[in-house]
Amino acid sequence: ETGVTQSPTHLIKTRGQQVTLRCSSQSGHNTVSWYQQALGQGPQFIFQYYREEENGRGNFPPRFSGLQFPNYSSELNVNALELDDSALYLCASSLSSAKNIQYFGAGTRLSVL
Amino acid sequence: GEDVEQSLFLSVREGDSSVINCTYTDSSSTYLYWYKQEPGAGLQLLTYIFSNMDMKQDQRLTVLLNKKDKHLSLRIADTQTGDSAIYFCAESIGDYKLSFGAGTTVTVRA
Repeated sequence: ETGVTQSPTHLIKTRGQQVTLRCSSQSGHNTVSWYQQALGQGPQFIFQYYREEENGRGNFPPRFSGLQFPNYSSELNVNALELDDSALYLCASSLSSAKNIQYFGAGTRLSVL
Repeated sequence: GEDVEQSLFLSVREGDSSVINCTYTDSSSTYLYWYKQEPGAGLQLLTYIFSNMDMKQDQRLTVLLNKKDKHLSLRIADTQTGDSAIYFCAESIGDYKLSFGAGTTVTVRA
């Protein structure tokens, strides 16, 4: 149990819709990273948030956006959903002094129909 | 470049040792990691090794790092049925990002 919590656990959307996924970081962790894990693959880095700003971004289009709040929790927003966005979305938290020692939540399973 | 490769499957008898291998490409990676994922669950950080180390041992887990060959391995001693899972190797890219392999599915048979 890492203390990283994500909601909801499962979500079904239709193509073209928008979705918001939420993450609460482990106590004391001020950095949040988001990953997309397609079925049968390893996680792919989407972006990281630190001090409420994006601190790095992977190869994802602008319709993937995020927020970090003063309490370090975070949201991932995806607009104009496509079928290929169906995946497990994982949030990871870390300390600013060790941003790449990351502890993951259980994920949100998104299905786009 | 960022490319982590690992074999897809490993079958091991209960009580034997498991060895999972991985190669990575970024010679500047500061940390190398092993994560475990059980069905329907998130990723559990099993262990990580700093790039200036050759070996790290933690109870039943032994990590070996060959930086010259960019090769990382995870040995699990006395493998149990609860060790059945997908194991991901990962390397750090910069100070914020992890790059993962596709995962090795470990099946423990009685």
